[in-house]
Amino acid sequence: DTGVSQDPRHKITKRGQNVTFRCDPISEHNRLYWYRQTLGQGPEFLTYFQNEAQLEKSRLLSDRFSAERPKGSFSTLEIQRTEQGDSAMYLCASPPGRADTGELFFGEGSRLTVL
Amino acid sequence: RKEVEQDPGPFNVPEGATVAFNCTYSNSASQSFFWYRQDCRKEPKLLMSVYSSGNEDGRFTAQLNRASQYISLLIRDSKLSDSATYLCVGLVSGGYNKLIFGAGTRLAVHP
Repeated sequence: DTGVSQDPRHKITKRGQNVTFRCDPISEHNRLYWYRQTLGQGPEFLTYFQNEAQLEKSRLLSDRFSAERPKGSFSTLEIQRTEQGDSAMYLCASPPGRADTGELFFGEGSRLTVL
Repeated sequence: RKEVEQDPGPFNVPEGATVAFNCTYSNSASQSFFWYRQDCRKEPKLLMSVYSSGNEDGRFTAQLNRASQYISLLIRDSKLSDSATYLCVGLVSGGYNKLIFGAGTRLAVHP
């Protein structure tokens, strides 16, 4: 257990529906990342939070995607009007300690299937 | 061109074999490198950092050649439990650290 928890673990939805994923990172850590992974690919960076501030957002995140971290603790990733191409594993990660060594602990991910 | 490129494999090797994975990176701003391991349908986990001088952790040896922008991972005496996908990762620092992952190399060790 890395200490990073994600919910739900699996989500099946129909095209056009909205979905929201939640991430609870390692407690008291101010840095949180979202990545997306599709079959046969490595994780791709989506966005980064330092406390409640979203400091970077990848061009992969279209305007249908929004991420928040309102109190600098848990984070949510919402996808509006889902498309089949959104089917992927959405991974949340945070560093294991306060020192920035570059290591990230990932949650088990939220797997999205858009029908 | 992807920032971190790897041979996707799969590499099918017998137990006890030595296997080597290679990785190239194109972003010269990448300051540090890592190998992560990902088991099927699981999250990636750090395997080891990669240092310019080369470093070893048990049966695993990692090498970095900054001039050639090349990273390698050598696994000796392969075990069945080594079967996984190995992700080459570069770290870019610009106020905060961001990991850039390769697509991964799949390893299957058979009896």
